[in-house]
Amino acid sequence: DVVLTQTPVAQPVTLGDQASISCRSSQSLVHSNGNTYLEWYLQKPGQSPQLLIYKVSNRFSGVPDRFIGSGSGSDFTLKISRVEPEDLGVYYCFQATHDPYTFGAGTKLELK
Amino acid sequence: EIQLQESGPGLVKPSQSLSLTCSVTGYTITSGYDWSWIRKFPGNKMEWMGYISYSGSTNYNPSLKSRISITRDTSKNQFFLQLNSVTTEDTATYYCARSFMDWGQGVMVTVSS
Repeated sequence: DVVLTQTPVAQPVTLGDQASISCRSSQSLVHSNGNTYLEWYLQKPGQSPQLLIYKVSNRFSGVPDRFIGSGSGSDFTLKISRVEPEDLGVYYCFQATHDPYTFGAGTKLELK
Repeated sequence: EIQLQESGPGLVKPSQSLSLTCSVTGYTITSGYDWSWIRKFPGNKMEWMGYISYSGSTNYNPSLKSRISITRDTSKNQFFLQLNSVTTEDTATYYCARSFMDWGQGVMVTVSS
C-alpha cells in the first residue's frame, strides 16, 4: 500500500499567519492516465471531513483562495495563508491513484 | 443539494456482523460517481474501506479481505456496508461519501461484548 507521510503532526499557529503541511508518498502518485490523484481534506471538530483540494492543486467548490496545493510526483504541500479560526482542525492528505486508496496520518492545525 | 446519512446500530458484539445504511437524497446513486465507506479510528487514523460505483461494480480495500460487502438498493437510493466477524479493532466512526466530495455526518460504532 502507498504510505503517505504527513509533517508536522501538529502545527501551532497564530491567526493571520501562514501554515504549511507536507505530504510525502512512498511512491509516485502519477496515474497511468497522467493525472495525479492527491487530495487534501480538513476535518473540523465535530464535523465530517471536507474536501479542500483535488488533483494536487485544484480548489473544490467554495474553498477560499488562501488554500493552495502544490507539488508533483511524490512530494506535496498544502499552504494556508492568513489562517482564520474556521481553518483549525485536522488536515489529511489522501491518494486515489493506487489501490487501495490511503490517507496520511493527519496534521492538527491549532492555536499557539 | 445532496445529503448522505448513515444509520445503524451503535454497538455490535465481537464476532458478529456490522451493518450500516447510507441514505442519499438530492442525487440518484445510479447517475454517477463512486459511493464509498470510510472509517476513522479513535485517534486520527482514517481508512478507506471500499466503494460501489454508479454501475454497481465494487472495489474493496484488501486489508478487509473477505469480511466486507457493499451493496445497494436503487429503489430506495441507499447503499450498505456489511462487515463480518468484527473485533474491537473495528471500533470507529463510519462515514459514507460520494466520491469523497460529499460526506455523511458519520456514525460511531463500538464493538464490545
